Amino acid sequence: SQQGEEDPQALSIQEGENATMNCSYKTSINNLQWYRQNSGRGLVHLILIRSNEREKHSGRLRVTLDTSKKSSSLLITASRAADTASYFCATGPGSARQLTFGSGTQLTVLP
Amino acid sequence: DAGITQSPRHKVTETGTPVTLRCHQTENHRYMYWYRQDPGHGLRLIHYSYGVKDTDKGEVSDGYSVSRSKTEDFLLTLESATSSQTSVYFCAISEQQGDTEAFFGQGTRLTVV
Repeated sequence: SQQGEEDPQALSIQEGENATMNCSYKTSINNLQWYRQNSGRGLVHLILIRSNEREKHSGRLRVTLDTSKKSSSLLITASRAADTASYFCATGPGSARQLTFGSGTQLTVLP
Repeated sequence: DAGITQSPRHKVTETGTPVTLRCHQTENHRYMYWYRQDPGHGLRLIHYSYGVKDTDKGEVSDGYSVSRSKTEDFLLTLESATSSQTSVYFCAISEQQGDTEAFFGQGTRLTVV
C-alpha cells in the first residue's frame, strides 16, 4: 500500500504561473522527500524536509510540511516548460523502514 | 548523475522464462533497492539490500528474488516471468535507509509476452 498520495493527479498551467502539488500520508515519518521524473527517465531528488521542519526552500521550490495534518505541499514558482514532469512525494523511514512513494502528479507547463 | 547503471535497458521475454536484471553502482552506497513502476501505482518496492548478502522483502516481492554478492551489484531475478511482471523496473541507492536522498537508475522496461 502507498504511504503518500499526491493531489491533483494531473495539473496543467501556463508558463510563468505557480504550480502547487499536495501530498498526504498516513503514518508517522522521519522525513518527506519530493522527486521529479521526466518522461522515460529515472527519478531525480528535489528536496528533503525532516519531520521537525515546517518549510524549506531550494531555488524556485518551496516545500511545507504539516505533521499534524500529515500533509506536505510542493510549490514551484514561475514555472517553465522544462518543469513538465511527474512529481512524487516519498515518506521515510517511519514504520516502513524505507522510502514509500505515492502515485505522483503529472505537471504540464504550457509555453 | 550518480553512478548507477541498469542493464539491460529494454527486454522482451516470454512467459515462463527466467529473467535477471542488473544494477551496478560506483558510489559505494550501502543500501540498494529495486522498485517497479506501473501506471496508477507509482513506485512499489520489490526488494532491498542493506549490505552484501543482506536483503529483505518489499511490498511486492512475490515472484522475485535478489542477490547482492558485491557492494556494487544488486541483481533482480524473475524466476518464471509472467505477464503481470511487465513493468518498468528502477534500481535506487542511498547512504542511509530512507533517511537520505535516493539516487535512481534510468530504468529497465521489461515486457513479458
